[in-house]
Amino acid sequence: NAGVTQTPKFQVLKTGQSMTLQCAQDMNHEYMSWYRQDPGMGLRLIHYSVGAGITDQGEVPNGYNVSRSTTEDFPLRLLSAAPSQTSVYFCASSRTAGTGESYEQYFGPGTRLTVT
Amino acid sequence: SQQGEEDPQALSIQEGENATMNCSYKTSINNLQWYRQNSGRGLVHLILIRSNEREKHSGRLRVTLDTSKKSSSLLITASRAADTASYFCATDPGTASKLTFGTGTRLQVTL
Repeated sequence: NAGVTQTPKFQVLKTGQSMTLQCAQDMNHEYMSWYRQDPGMGLRLIHYSVGAGITDQGEVPNGYNVSRSTTEDFPLRLLSAAPSQTSVYFCASSRTAGTGESYEQYFGPGTRLTVT
Repeated sequence: SQQGEEDPQALSIQEGENATMNCSYKTSINNLQWYRQNSGRGLVHLILIRSNEREKHSGRLRVTLDTSKKSSSLLITASRAADTASYFCATDPGTASKLTFGTGTRLQVTL
């Protein structure tokens, strides 16, 4: 299994540009999520999905869109990039219990995004 | 907002010593998880402890949970240089699997 894959690994955008960060998992996990990691801030949840067709906002959703058309893929779209979105982005997936309790999350290698 | 806060922010020890990191959180939880992150890499899950558990072991790792004090500790025994990494606690508040991560402890193990 490849686990969780993310592309690209690095990206430089100009302010106002849009782009999509790709995330895929081959573990048949229902739960997928996007985090951003900034120095001294830990990881903050952007958006998450508990299954195909279902998405919801996390702690810092503004400026980002997601969709979940398949179990495997969970792309993150930056609508109009801003310097404040310079960060490292991680995608993660996990299985879920019917109660909503979380299990261990598997993380991708990250995408380092710079917005100038 | 950050649910978990790790302490200390940074820790430097010599190989063979034990390393202890602490995590405090604010609200009730279903479980608490610890993750390791090597520089420039994604996070790797280490251990999960449920709210009805007090202690858990995995190899050289020992995790304790005190729900009355809303705190957890991660002990790494006989540290190795390869343990050099950042360590994060993450809490599950029981809401649609929304883990909340702390700011991490940077561990440096020197030879």
